[in-house]
Amino acid sequence: QKEVEQNSGPLSVPEGAIASLNCTYSDRGSQSFFWYRQYSGKSPELIMFIYSNGDKEDGRFTAQLNKASQYVSLLIRDSQPSDSATYLCAVNDGGSQGNLIFGKGTKLSVKP
Amino acid sequence: GAGVSQSPRYKVAKRGQDVALRCDPISGHVSLFWYQQALGQGPEFLTYFQNEAQLDKSGLPSDRFFAERPEGSVSTLKIQRTQQEDSAVYLCASSPVGGGRIGNQPQHFGDGTRLSIL
Repeated sequence: QKEVEQNSGPLSVPEGAIASLNCTYSDRGSQSFFWYRQYSGKSPELIMFIYSNGDKEDGRFTAQLNKASQYVSLLIRDSQPSDSATYLCAVNDGGSQGNLIFGKGTKLSVKP
Repeated sequence: GAGVSQSPRYKVAKRGQDVALRCDPISGHVSLFWYQQALGQGPEFLTYFQNEAQLDKSGLPSDRFFAERPEGSVSTLKIQRTQQEDSAVYLCASSPVGGGRIGNQPQHFGDGTRLSIL
């Protein structure tokens, strides 16, 4: 059974702090890694994607990938109350046509 | 609109009824996916289309679930003889490419259909 594991949280950080979200995955065949943000009652919204080991930065967001450790993380700098949402880690199913395997999500709460 | 459109947004049905959920992907997107998201869980894969061909239906939970995309654009997910455990949000996602490139392309999600079975 291919799995993606995330701490369900809630993760609470003060406004302006760095939020660190972590994810591990079991499928060594996975090559593509995605972070989606999901507000309550809304659809998942793509935040970041990363394919290569190392860091990828986009504005306040940094994705980090370590394939050897099967570990992906998302850092949110200068957290804002509007960042409060559930963050879903997803990896492509290496043995499939491209469907994604999602974690259960980490609920982030940014306190003003 | 430019995004993935799903209808209806909400559907309430009695146990045993059949339901049909519609997905209109982003124009020109080759690949279309259906996912099921239970409360407090991440989305789980149901089925995948490349154009009109259903290439993977391994995630469909039972033979009561059926999906089609006859003209390679709009897709319908049908659930027959609904059960209470079918209550969930059904998400549709599309991607601009297919074939071996698809694992590298982000999927764009619609707002989903929230299905409640009484």
